[in-house]
Amino acid sequence: DAGVTQSPTHLIKTRGQQVTLRCSPKSGHDTVSWYQQALGQGPQFIFQYYEEEERQRGNFPDRFSGHQFPNYSSELNVNALLLGDSALYLCASSLGQASYEQYFGPGTRLTVT
Amino acid sequence: ILNVEQSPQSLHVQEGDSTNFTCSFPSSNFYALHWYRWETAKSPEALFVMTLNGDEKKKGRISATLNTKEGYSYLYIKGSQPEDSATYLCALFEDTGNQFYFGTGTSLTVIP
Repeated sequence: DAGVTQSPTHLIKTRGQQVTLRCSPKSGHDTVSWYQQALGQGPQFIFQYYEEEERQRGNFPDRFSGHQFPNYSSELNVNALLLGDSALYLCASSLGQASYEQYFGPGTRLTVT
Repeated sequence: ILNVEQSPQSLHVQEGDSTNFTCSFPSSNFYALHWYRWETAKSPEALFVMTLNGDEKKKGRISATLNTKEGYSYLYIKGSQPEDSATYLCALFEDTGNQFYFGTGTSLTVIP
């Protein structure tokens, strides 16, 4: 049973560029949440996707957007990258929008130079 | 935004020592508290999900308690081993926004 997978593992981008991160949920899960963990901080909630729609959103600007596909996999897009977007991006999956049982992927390390 | 605090920020203990750390959270809107164990370059691994005031959970040498009225949870590790070295995160799930609020973690290093 595959757990949550994320790609790529590491990524280096330049300020102003755009980036797309990908997440495949745990088998049987239909909800994907994205988190940003900056250095020295705990993970911060970005948004949650359920039934291909954004359902909840944390305190992140519109430069952060996402998508969920019919197979429940998800993408996180960040436009106009800033140095401060350098962080570990975690994806978590769950069954149902309001479930408090989440399983995490290993994350994508984004470095913006 | 809810403030979840963990202490201490980091901890070094000798192999065989027992240790504990704290997670503090606002007691209103509580729904569930998670403890995760996170090793470098791996996925955070769920240790416990706690929902009821007075909950006590145990997995091997690791246990946790929950006090929702005063807003804290303790994680205990008995007889620490080098393989216990990791960051321990707690996360509050609150029932209005259906989202998690994480602490900054406690980094544990067990010295052989």
